[in-house]
Amino acid sequence: GNSVTQMEGPVTLSEEAFLTINCTYTATGYPSLFWYVQYPGEGLQLLLKATKADDKGSNKGFEATYRKETTSFHLEKGSVQVSDSAVYFCALRDSNYQLIWGAGTKLIIKP
Amino acid sequence: GAGVSQSPRYKVAKRGQDVALRCDPISGHVSLFWYQQALGQGPEFLTYFQNEAQLDKSGLPSDRFFAERPEGSVSTLKIQRTQQEDSAVYLCASSLELDRRIAEAFFGQGTRLTVV
Repeated sequence: GNSVTQMEGPVTLSEEAFLTINCTYTATGYPSLFWYVQYPGEGLQLLLKATKADDKGSNKGFEATYRKETTSFHLEKGSVQVSDSAVYFCALRDSNYQLIWGAGTKLIIKP
Repeated sequence: GAGVSQSPRYKVAKRGQDVALRCDPISGHVSLFWYQQALGQGPEFLTYFQNEAQLDKSGLPSDRFFAERPEGSVSTLKIQRTQQEDSAVYLCASSLELDRRIAEAFFGQGTRLTVV
């Protein structure tokens, strides 16, 4: 069945550091891939998405490239800020309608 | 409203009590989803509606869980005879019924249910 695996947290970085949160998936067919973010006390928000191989999703300085050959969708940001502290979820959706989620990675950015 | 609204935000129930959780999706969104999120985990699918039709309820953990969307807008998730293992955040999401594969799901803030 379809599944998503993402790196365990918490990930703790200093402000302006480079961020990578790894995400790999297993899926039949051609899924779309998503990163959602959950800020403290708020609901899940779509951060970025990619719908086919080699697509790059980007938003708020975050990027992720859909790599079919490595079944990965790693999240990156060149210079993190304290306000990026949140929980990040990688997810996929195939021709079905359900979102299949990773367990989430808590990101802590220290000033 | 502009977003998905869920109520109540927090609910404490005594074991054995029935609860009802409400979701107001974004106006015009055909698809509505319920997810259950345990502490420290990603959401798990519960059920899916297309308008008023419940097309998939395969994720409901037991027959104590029941969901409805009678007029194709507001939805209610009901849990009968609550148990401690039902403690979780219950998330509602809605999306336009376009290409299901790429349609963005908009989430509410969730209802945190604690069964004591």
